[in-house]
Amino acid sequence: GAVVSQHPSRVICKSGTSVKIECRSLDFQATTMFWYRQFPKKSLMLMATSNEGSKATYEQGVEKDKFLINHASLTLSTLTVTSAHPEDSSFYICSATQGSNQPQHFGDGTRLSIL
Amino acid sequence: GESVGLHLPTLSVQEGDNSIINCAYSNSASDYFIWYKQESGKGPQFIIDIRSNMDKRQGQRVTVLLNKTVKHLSLQIAATQPGDSAVYFCAERALGKLIFGTGTRLQVFP
Repeated sequence: GAVVSQHPSRVICKSGTSVKIECRSLDFQATTMFWYRQFPKKSLMLMATSNEGSKATYEQGVEKDKFLINHASLTLSTLTVTSAHPEDSSFYICSATQGSNQPQHFGDGTRLSIL
Repeated sequence: GESVGLHLPTLSVQEGDNSIINCAYSNSASDYFIWYKQESGKGPQFIIDIRSNMDKRQGQRVTVLLNKTVKHLSLQIAATQPGDSAVYFCAERALGKLIFGTGTRLQVFP
């Protein structure tokens, strides 16, 4: 149980395009989803916390207009990287939890490469 | 083999030996700690967790030790296997959010 699916697993696109990444909890309802960014050989950095039906809470230094998060249902959150540029290239990982005191279950990440 | 927190990011051990991966956490208000294993190109995989009211917890081949006095967490892997090769992260939970450590790469050689 507790499977989180992330799609796509890899995307390569041109500079200036927008990219949408989906995060789905397959067998549980996720009241909260988290989006992380990970640079090569580095740790995971929390970007934002997304609660179903409300606006995401962004960490300091993360541009909310650049990284649009939508959590429209209890099983789906999306991260859209708008007008992506090469510096946005990274590994993006989502996690989902059934509640604030419940474990986070992670997706397998999306490798984003902007040319 | 043993790593010393953030200053030795790679730990190499021989297959069959025990591994000890260490982590120093920052927030004395953290109430919950988790060890994750991350393989290349994958998301973090839960290994074991421990709440702040405990100092030791054992799983299958893994043990987590928590020393709140010095804010130190360790992961012990018994009889390390090639399949254990990965990057290991500790994470602390504070105010509902996870804060990840910098990670230790475990390399297992025959």
